[in-house]
Amino acid sequence: EVQLVESGGGLVQPGGSRRLSCAASGFTFSSYWMNWVRQAPGKGLEWVATIKQDGRENYYVDSVKGRFTISRDNAKNLLYLQMSRLRAEDTAVYYCARVRSSGWPYDAFDIWGQGTMLTVSS
Amino acid sequence: DIQMTQSPSTLSASVGDRVTITCRASERIGTYLAWYQQKPGKAPKLLIYKASTLESGVPSKFSGSGSGTEFTLTISSLQPDDFATYYCQQYNSYVRTFGQGTKVEIQ
Repeated sequence: EVQLVESGGGLVQPGGSRRLSCAASGFTFSSYWMNWVRQAPGKGLEWVATIKQDGRENYYVDSVKGRFTISRDNAKNLLYLQMSRLRAEDTAVYYCARVRSSGWPYDAFDIWGQGTMLTVSS
Repeated sequence: DIQMTQSPSTLSASVGDRVTITCRASERIGTYLAWYQQKPGKAPKLLIYKASTLESGVPSKFSGSGSGTEFTLTISSLQPDDFATYYCQQYNSYVRTFGQGTKVEIQ
């Protein structure tokens, strides 16, 4: 079964750091662009970051540039989001999502994880 | 960055109704547009990609159209399971953006 499972969420103080993980299974992880998408409580979806299959290209939404880093370990089928200098407005459910086409970034997100909740509060 | 604007934000409808949601892009994106359905507490589900191509397993009552800057999602004959929030998303650039969502609720 094709599956993505996020972990690492929880309560973090403002200014703190956290690393989210996303474990992929059931497909050739190293062949796909991957993404992080977040959703603040009661709000809409916000794309956060994307990473190429080999990890050599990545792109971010302006609000997280310089604070968040997306990375991957293709040997372990893991996607990461390292978050630092966290703010209250980073509070959200964080989803990892796969780009539908193997090897091509310009496509929809066909596989999503169940999400992990990050709360930034003192 | 490309901005995506959906309308309406909320849509009240009855079982059996045909509904249409509109999504407008701030610049031309060809057909690099997807539609997702999200239910409370669940991850989004891909319905349509490339503006009008139905994802595998999605019922044919969902249809999409448009290109350039104007797109629509139509749901024919609403059923109780279709009451949810719908999002459009452009993927014409590395910086993907979603519309703000349209909540389809029971009238």
